[in-house]
Amino acid sequence: GEDVEQSLFLSVREGDSSVINCTYTDSSSTYLYWYKQEPGAGLQLLTYIFSNMDMKQDQRLTVLLNKKDKHLSLRIADTQTGDSAIYFCAESPNTGTASKLTFGTGTRLQVTL
Amino acid sequence: DVKVTQSSRYLVKRTGEKVFLECVQDMDHENMFWYRQDPGLGLRLIYFSYDVKMKEKGDIPEGYSVSREKKERFSLILESASTNQTSMYLCASSPPRAHLYFGPGTRLLVL
Repeated sequence: GEDVEQSLFLSVREGDSSVINCTYTDSSSTYLYWYKQEPGAGLQLLTYIFSNMDMKQDQRLTVLLNKKDKHLSLRIADTQTGDSAIYFCAESPNTGTASKLTFGTGTRLQVTL
Repeated sequence: DVKVTQSSRYLVKRTGEKVFLECVQDMDHENMFWYRQDPGLGLRLIYFSYDVKMKEKGDIPEGYSVSREKKERFSLILESASTNQTSMYLCASSPPRAHLYFGPGTRLLVL
C-alpha cells in the first residue's frame, strides 16, 4: 500500500529557515498536502500542491515537489516560535471519490530562541 | 466558518466499557473519517463514510465500528474498550476529492 515517511523531529533557531522533508510511494498521487497540528488541537491545512507542479510559494511557505524521486519538502522562512507544531505531509490517491489521504508520521518542529 | 466538532475533548473509560465518540460537521460534506493518532505512527485511518449509511474499513478497523445515520454525524464505537485503544481520535470531513477538515480531537484513556 501507500507509504509516507517523515523524520520525527527538527529543531531550528528563531529567524532561521526550516525545511521539513517527506517521501511517498504512490506515483499516482494527485495532490500532496501539508497539515499543521498545534499542541492539543486537530490538524489544519497549511498548503497543498498539485502533482503537475514542482513548486508553490505562499508567503513564508515554499513547497517543492520532486515527482521523479517522490520527495516533497516544506520550507518555512524566518521561522517563529508560533511555528512550533507537528507538521504532517499527506498524499491523495487518484482513485475513488473519498478523499482518503495517507499521512506521514509527522515532524515535530521545535523553534528555539 | 467551517466547523467539525467532537463530543468530548477528554474521556476516561474502563476496560470492557462500550464507548461512543461523536462527530458533527456543519458543511454538508459527503465524506467523513475517523483517524487515530499515536506518537511515532502518525494518523491511521479507522473507518470512513462517503454517504449516509455507507461505511468502509480503513487500515485499522479491528475493535471499532461506526454509524452514519445522518449526513452531518459520524459516530465511532468501541464495542469493548481495551487499554491498547488509548489514543487521540480525530474526526474529519471533506467534499469529494478535496482536503480534509479536522475536528479538535478526543483524547481517550482506557484504564
